[in-house]
Amino acid sequence: AQTVTQSQPEMSVQEAETVTLSCTYDTSESNYYLFWYKQPPSRQMILVIRQEAYKQQNATENRFSVNFQKAAKSFSLKISDSQLGDTAMYFCAFMKGGGGADGLTFGKGTHLIIQP
Amino acid sequence: KAGVTQTPRYLIKTRGQQVTLSCSPISGHRSVSWYQQTPGQGLQFLFEYFSETQRNKGNFPGRFSGRQFSNSRSEMNVSTLELGDSALYLCASSRGGADYTIYFGEGSWLTVV
Repeated sequence: AQTVTQSQPEMSVQEAETVTLSCTYDTSESNYYLFWYKQPPSRQMILVIRQEAYKQQNATENRFSVNFQKAAKSFSLKISDSQLGDTAMYFCAFMKGGGGADGLTFGKGTHLIIQP
Repeated sequence: KAGVTQTPRYLIKTRGQQVTLSCSPISGHRSVSWYQQTPGQGLQFLFEYFSETQRNKGNFPGRFSGRQFSNSRSEMNVSTLELGDSALYLCASSRGGADYTIYFGEGSWLTVV
């Protein structure tokens, strides 16, 4: 079974600062995918970024980038030039490869607060 | 392009009753999965359907069941409701296969009293 750990229950930064959210995972699988999801107060889960384990290059999506350290089983999310709209719960998630049948395993989440 | 649609958005049920939640995936998506979100347990995988077949189920009692129709729409059912079933139930869809881009609906809030 896989586990995902987010060690920061809550973080608070000033607008325009850069913030890094931590995530570690444990798995014996070699084929897997990692995700960061954002859940604002509306509770809709929004995909922020996805990383394929077989790709060495870190994924980026505009202001969002990841630091994927496969050997260390670490998958942190960096948000640059943070904005008030980035305030939300952020969940790190793992999915085993093989078609998605096993669903996502989520961490407990990090509540990110962007202060004006 | 319409997103994942879940109905109803909010509902209140009494202990012992049953409930059915519906999910319409994004057009062209054949995989539908369900998750339960509670403050105590966080987000937990319930089950996944692909082409009308349940491929996997999470660690939930048999009171939790689901199905998928030929148009990929899915329903989940919870029978003999307990207070602990109060949660946000999230549906997610993807094309399936090698496509791991997974989109979520807005969820159905279930309160059991």
